[in-house]
Parts: sequence; C-alpha cells; structure tokens
Amino acid sequence: GENVEQHPSTLSVQEGDSAVIKCTYSDSASNYFPWYKQELGKGPQLIIDIRSNVGEKKDQRIAVTLNKTAKHFSLHITETQPEDSAVYFCAASIPGGFKTIFGAGTRLFVKA
Amino acid sequence: EAQVTQNPRYLITVTGKKLTVTCSQNMNHEYMSWYRQDPGLGLRQIYYSMNVEVTDKGDVPEGYKVSRKEKRNFPLILESPSPNQTSLYFCASSVQGKNTEAFFGQGTRLTVV
Repeated sequence: GENVEQHPSTLSVQEGDSAVIKCTYSDSASNYFPWYKQELGKGPQLIIDIRSNVGEKKDQRIAVTLNKTAKHFSLHITETQPEDSAVYFCAASIPGGFKTIFGAGTRLFVKA
Repeated sequence: EAQVTQNPRYLITVTGKKLTVTCSQNMNHEYMSWYRQDPGLGLRQIYYSMNVEVTDKGDVPEGYKVSRKEKRNFPLILESPSPNQTSLYFCASSVQGKNTEAFFGQGTRLTVV
C-alpha cells in the first residue's frame, strides 16, 4: 500500500526566512497531494494541494512542487511569520480518494 | 457555517467501558472518515464511509466500529477500550469520489486508564 515519508520532523526558522518541508510517496498511482496545517488544539486545515498533472502551484507565500518521476513533493513557505508556527502534514491519495495516507508531520517553529 | 462537529472534546474512561464519539457534518458530504493522531505517526485512517450504509476499514481498524445510518452522522464506537487506544481522534468529511479537501473536526482527546 501507499506510504508517505515526511522530513524534517521539526523545523525552526527565523521570521522572514523560508521553510521547506519534503515528502516522498511510494504508490505511483497517487494523483492528489494535499498539505494540511494543524494549529494547537485544532483539526488539520487544507492550505494547498496539487494534482499529478501539475508540477507546481503557488498561493501567496505558499508553494508546492511535485516531481512524479522521483515520487517527491515539497511545501515551500516564504517570508515566514510567527503565525506560520504549526504542525504541517503532507498526504497522498490514489484516484477515487477513498484512502488518504498522511505523513508523520513537521512541527514548524518561526522565531520572532 | 460549514463544519464538522465532534463530541466530546475530551474523554477519560476506564478499560472495557464502551464509549461512542459522535461526528456530524452539515455540508451534505457523502464521504466521512475517522483518523487517530499519535506522536511520530501522523494521522492514520481507522474507518471510512462512502455513503449511507457503506463503510470500509482503513489502516488501523482493530478495536473500533462505525456506523453510517444517516448522511450527516458517522459515530466511532469503542466496544471495549484499551489503553493503547489512548489517542487524539479526528473525524473528517469531503465530497465523495473526488480528491478534494477534507474538512476536519476539532478532535477528541481520549484517555483510557
């Protein structure tokens, strides 16, 4: 079955710097790759997603890149702010979307 | 407001005492799912439901039951809870059959002693 590995588990950056979180997946049939942000005491919330027919997607300070050949996708946050501090999860799902496999999560600290 | 509502938010129980965690969504989504979140393991899917009366096992279904008698509700049942089921649980819903955004509830922190 699908397996998603996420690195690093913890990331600390200075406010204004960029942060990059990387994920790899195992099932080449996976075609949907969402990223979720989980703030303390809350449920995960979608921040950006990408489908397998696209190599890159950007939304203001957040971007996601996908390398289907390497089965690798990454989240890039530029100009980080203290409110970006949270746990971030990558995920992958196969066509139909019934089973979504999540990475283990990355705890991001943005120091003011 | 579109939302997924879980109850209770916190629960401490004893081994073997049956409990139910409720989940309700107001978005008319066909697809609902339960996850557990444990440190270092991320979110692992317990059960999912594609529509009323249609459920299937996720990756960690042992010790759990679900039912989907109505579209909006998807309760998680622990018939005989054990300490290894101490975890943070999330219910989620999304549009069925398409890879789209999952909407998560606020979570239920369960402790089994």
